Amino acid sequence: GEDVEQSLFLSVREGDSSVINCTYTDSSSTYLYWYKQEPGAGLQLLTYIFSNMDMKQDQRLTVLLNKKDKHLSLRIADTQTGDSAIYFCAEAVYNQGGKLIFGQGTELSVKP
Amino acid sequence: DSGVTQTPKHLITATGQRVTLRCSPRSGDLSVYWYQQSLDQGLQFLIQYYNGEERAKGNILERFSAQQFPDLHSELNLSSLELGDSALYFCASSPAEGTRESQYFGPGTRLLVL
Repeated sequence: GEDVEQSLFLSVREGDSSVINCTYTDSSSTYLYWYKQEPGAGLQLLTYIFSNMDMKQDQRLTVLLNKKDKHLSLRIADTQTGDSAIYFCAEAVYNQGGKLIFGQGTELSVKP
Repeated sequence: DSGVTQTPKHLITATGQRVTLRCSPRSGDLSVYWYQQSLDQGLQFLIQYYNGEERAKGNILERFSAQQFPDLHSELNLSSLELGDSALYFCASSPAEGTRESQYFGPGTRLLVL
């Protein structure tokens, strides 16, 4: 079946690194995405990784993929108060058009 | 700003009514997706259109229908509304269809059914 799991909350201090974790069940996932949702706003695409990659870095963001364990993580370096938001991971499953399956979202709280 | 527009931003209506939500994709994008975000169900995929044709269907109720017009804008019709339909409805678009296409989301329409 298709399922994506995330922990619900993460609290960090400004300047620290944040690591948000995600697990998925469908082994036929092709692309995995990270989205950010600020209060009252839509979803902003942060980054994505193809399933045959292990790592992708984009400025302060690092995505790690362990395909064997079906585990995905998003590391935010030098976390700022403006990074406070809900972060969703999502998988695009092969042969299901463009359907994205989302996790429940992780609420990141950054304390000054 | 993702370039995807949705109207209206907020909608308040009563049970049993029918509403239409509208979405304009980013310039050049041919695929449109609809998602529902609610507290109990999270973010759920409803339906996808590509260049006017239905491409994928998720957990969309029979009371809900959608279409994509020749100018590529899309409408989501919700009828016989129930309290449980209160949610945030997102539209997303991508250049083509398929799993390798990044989806860009609009700001959403917040629907409240009283």
